[in-house]
Amino acid sequence: QQPVQSPQAVILREGEDAVINCSSSKALYSVHWYRQKHGEAPVFLMILLKGGEQKGHDKISASFNEKKQQSSLYLTASQLSYSGTYFCGTEYKGSSNTGKLIFGQGTTLQVKP
Amino acid sequence: GAVVSQHPSRVICKSGTSVKIECRSLDFQATTMFWYRQFPKQSLMLMATSNEGSKATYEQGVEKDKFLINHASLTLSTLTVTSAHPEDSSFYICSARKRLYQETQYFGPGTRLLVL
Repeated sequence: QQPVQSPQAVILREGEDAVINCSSSKALYSVHWYRQKHGEAPVFLMILLKGGEQKGHDKISASFNEKKQQSSLYLTASQLSYSGTYFCGTEYKGSSNTGKLIFGQGTTLQVKP
Repeated sequence: GAVVSQHPSRVICKSGTSVKIECRSLDFQATTMFWYRQFPKQSLMLMATSNEGSKATYEQGVEKDKFLINHASLTLSTLTVTSAHPEDSSFYICSARKRLYQETQYFGPGTRLLVL
């Protein structure tokens, strides 16, 4: 089962904040966040491994609520370069340690000047 | 760093021909490599998981005889689309993982396949 991301799309002005959510119906081992620009490969942003973990660099951070089986990505003071499609990739508990990720449907973020 | 390359970046072929796509981890040894397919404005769909020296594990609905995967070494995996048809046209992306636990996947730049 694919994790569900929300919202599907968001339009921001430069400097505004955004939150992207990723929810799973199955217990999560880890959550991986990527950003993909049109025609390019996904670029790794961060990985969250433990329930309650929060990470961040620059103005992008993320949290992982293991109990609620969800993760959120926070983008603050957005820049034009933040535009793209954000995917969460989930690794489920008990997935036989294959390391495989199942990706959400993506959230398209557009930052306007 | 963790750099993954793919070759070719673009390929156009005639219907019925086979196409091979290479995926290489350039600065690390990858315990596992993954192959994805992505249609325009859609998510990444995992096709198969590839481990060096063993048979690939295909996701449900992916034809293993159609999409042949060979993982020859810890730095190279290949995907061959056999007898390609127009419906196989897509963006194929590989990823590599350094180790199994507490590590993410690093993606190659992708290969855009167009079958005429």
